[in-house]
Amino acid sequence: DAKTTQPNSMESNEEEPVHLPCNHSTISGTDYIHWYRQLPSQGPEYVIHGLTSNVNNRMASLAIAEDRKSSTLILHRATLRDAAVYYCILSPTGNQFYFGTGTSLTVIP
Amino acid sequence: GAVVSQHPSRVICKSGTSVKIECRSLDFQATTMFWYRQFPKQSLMLMATSNEGSKATYEQGVEKDKFLINHASLTLSTLTVTSAHPEDSSFYICSGGVSTDTQYFGPGTRLTVL
Repeated sequence: DAKTTQPNSMESNEEEPVHLPCNHSTISGTDYIHWYRQLPSQGPEYVIHGLTSNVNNRMASLAIAEDRKSSTLILHRATLRDAAVYYCILSPTGNQFYFGTGTSLTVIP
Repeated sequence: GAVVSQHPSRVICKSGTSVKIECRSLDFQATTMFWYRQFPKQSLMLMATSNEGSKATYEQGVEKDKFLINHASLTLSTLTVTSAHPEDSSFYICSGGVSTDTQYFGPGTRLTVL
């Protein structure tokens, strides 16, 4: 399975945009890019996913590089409830996931 | 979104006993569900794929005789930790999906083995 690389931690001020990067240089043509987040002592929560084109939903936006070797999750306006560990996962199937270490996002009031 | 529940949310047991954890899809049917384990301050690790009506498939290094999985219906998968030991103490999480695009994760079960 293709590996992803994310920064261990990031900080953001409340109400400001957050850009969470993910590198996946060995991504295959059939791999979707999935983002999930996990609050402490809870199961992961779906955020967004995409294949080639940029994607938007009510939670976030996903910007995918043209060569697909990297992507960025964008939270347009961080709130305290967005503090979580964010996982970028590659999967051709969208169900069986091999999680990396993720990025721990701290939101500063 | 779809909802996955787990029961119990927390369990404490003595070393050598067996513990059963239930994972239910409340508003959808899941032919396949997944079990993960998460140790403190670590990421989720996929343990096995639970297949309705057939045997589970286990990830490399996961003992199938220790972690028994039963997927008897389209809405229920169970994980039984047999002869639990303190090193099995962990956060166990299941997931299921309506389609192949998205997985819905349960809230997790915290197992503590004394």
